[in-house]
Amino acid sequence: DAKTTQPPSMDCAEGRAANLPCNHSTISGNEYVYWYRQIHSQGPQYIIHGLKNNETNEMASLIITEDRKSSTLILPHATLRDTAVYYCIVRSNDYKLSFGAGTTVTVRA
Amino acid sequence: KAGVTQTPRYLIKTRGQQVTLSCSPISGHRSVSWYQQTPGQGLQFLFEYFSETQRNKGNFPGRFSGRQFSNSRSEMNVSTLELGDSALYLCASSLRGQAVTYEQYFGPGTRLTVT
Repeated sequence: DAKTTQPPSMDCAEGRAANLPCNHSTISGNEYVYWYRQIHSQGPQYIIHGLKNNETNEMASLIITEDRKSSTLILPHATLRDTAVYYCIVRSNDYKLSFGAGTTVTVRA
Repeated sequence: KAGVTQTPRYLIKTRGQQVTLSCSPISGHRSVSWYQQTPGQGLQFLFEYFSETQRNKGNFPGRFSGRQFSNSRSEMNVSTLELGDSALYLCASSLRGQAVTYEQYFGPGTRLTVT
């Protein structure tokens, strides 16, 4: 299974863009990158996924490098409610989602 | 549309006992996956059920089992509880299963404490 590496924590100012990096250097050609987040005491919440192309939805944008070895999740205008643990996951060919330690994002007023 | 519900939300058991947790998926969703979350190991996949059949299984001992009913509701059972089983147990549902559907919707979890 492709593993992901994320910084353990990062701070972001409210109203600014938050850029969350993720390395997945062993990703194979047909493995998708997923992002979920988990707000304290709640179950994880799906954010976005992608394979090769950049993706955008109402929550975030996902930028995947051309070699697919890394990606960046962008929260365009962070709010206090975006404070959470963010997980970058590569879905393996056996379809098991392996959540790592994630990045704890703290949005400050 | 109602979200994924899990019951009970909190549970305290003693070592050696067994426990059954319940999950009701979002209406129309046929896949239910179970995860265990602990501070040390993070979120780990237990198993996935689709149309009453187990389709995928994580690396957990046989004490952990599950089933799915015809209405897609699912239960997981842990027998002979150990202290290390103390965790947040999360259930997630998806429309057609992890092999097809990209989004999983998680419930709030059941907090199990084993003493």
